[in-house]
Amino acid sequence: DIVMTQTPLSSPVTLGQPASISCRSSQSLVHRDGNTYLSWLQQRPGQPPRLLIYKISKRFSGVPDRFSGSGSGTDFTLKISRVDAEDVGFYYCMQTTHFPHTFGQGTKLEIK
Amino acid sequence: QVHLVESGGGVVQPGRSLRLSCAASGFIFSDFAMHWVRQAPGKGLEWVSVIWYDGSQKYFADSVKGRFTISRDNSRNTMYLQMNSLRVEDTAVYYCAKSYEVAAILGSWGQGTLVTVSP
Repeated sequence: DIVMTQTPLSSPVTLGQPASISCRSSQSLVHRDGNTYLSWLQQRPGQPPRLLIYKISKRFSGVPDRFSGSGSGTDFTLKISRVDAEDVGFYYCMQTTHFPHTFGQGTKLEIK
Repeated sequence: QVHLVESGGGVVQPGRSLRLSCAASGFIFSDFAMHWVRQAPGKGLEWVSVIWYDGSQKYFADSVKGRFTISRDNSRNTMYLQMNSLRVEDTAVYYCAKSYEVAAILGSWGQGTLVTVSP
């Protein structure tokens, strides 16, 4: 199975400051169709997960443009340009290129 | 507007069975692959299974293979997860998710239903 490793596991951030989360996969996530199915999801406290970014860098409908994704192959990054109070929660990377699909361990974003 | 409602969760003894449902509305259900993802209390997310839009392909996590089956009834806009031989470690909130563009993107999620497996 593909192992997804996120760093850091906890990220205290000051409001209005940037935040960055890294995700590394144990194998390349390039699909045979040429796409890389790496997504980022947000889970606010007490809420279900919500898709933020798919195919490395595409923002899902309704996602603020302060969220951006980048990377290729096995190394990926989620960046929040200016952290807002509503961004508190857990962030997960997920690969859906290979079966079984797998998630990173999750990164807890909290306000300093 | 996409709406997914999971149901069927509850408390069950180890070794017993349970069937979860995911009722969908707000989109053409028969056009989209659907997933199950679970989250044990206080833990991260674990992908469980996916079923293609027409039911022709199904995939499972190793942890549930041979015990869980996935199905759908496109006439009822509903997906199911039949869980047999339940174990304590299957205790989790089970979410259903709708694919977006392709089966490999989990675009919309339900609120989840809690399954507790306890002696």
